[in-house]
Amino acid sequence: EVQLVESGGGLVQPGGSLRLSCAASGFTFSDHYMDWVRQAPGKGLEWVGRILNKAKSYTTEYAASVKGRFTISRDDSKNSLFLQMNSLKTEDTAVYYCADIGSYLPWGQGTLVTVSS
Amino acid sequence: DAVMTQSPLSLPVTLGQPASISCGSSQSLVHRSGNTYLSWFQQRPGQSPRRLIYKVSNRDSGVPDRFSGSGSGTDFTLKISRVEAEDVGDYYCVQDTHWPPTFGQGTKLEIK
Repeated sequence: EVQLVESGGGLVQPGGSLRLSCAASGFTFSDHYMDWVRQAPGKGLEWVGRILNKAKSYTTEYAASVKGRFTISRDDSKNSLFLQMNSLKTEDTAVYYCADIGSYLPWGQGTLVTVSS
Repeated sequence: DAVMTQSPLSLPVTLGQPASISCGSSQSLVHRSGNTYLSWFQQRPGQSPRRLIYKVSNRDSGVPDRFSGSGSGTDFTLKISRVEAEDVGDYYCVQDTHWPPTFGQGTKLEIK
């Protein structure tokens, strides 16, 4: 079964850090570009960033709102995607999804990150 | 950034009737490859988004044929030929032609 499962969300204070993980199964993970997309409570979808595959030198791209604070990485040997989030702000509160928006892959259930004091 | 504008933002529809959602882009979405990377996602209440349509008009596997996509350049449309109860939810267009990928605001479909 093709699956993406996010984990690592939780409550963190402003200025804090959190690392999200995404476990992939049922498909050739290493072939895919992978995205992180977030959805603030009651709001729409916002693209956060992307990591390309080995053939594209694992190039990363970020939305302006998170550039310099968030870092995407992957471990193809473990079929895993990561999102390191530093200097978190209250406006980063959202459900975070890993996905490949350019493909058929079903999205995971998401993981909730709450930034609050 | 390519700004994606959906209309309407709220769409009450009677069961069995057609529905149509428009998505406009501030820039042409024709990629230098000749492809147009415009997709439609459905998000049912309490669920994760699911892709319905890719490259304007191609249905994903398992998507009912009552869903169709059309358009070109800067103007695109998602149509549902006969709305069913399971179609309730939010619909988003997204472009991946220009960096960064950008989503529309979403359209909430509800049953009258």
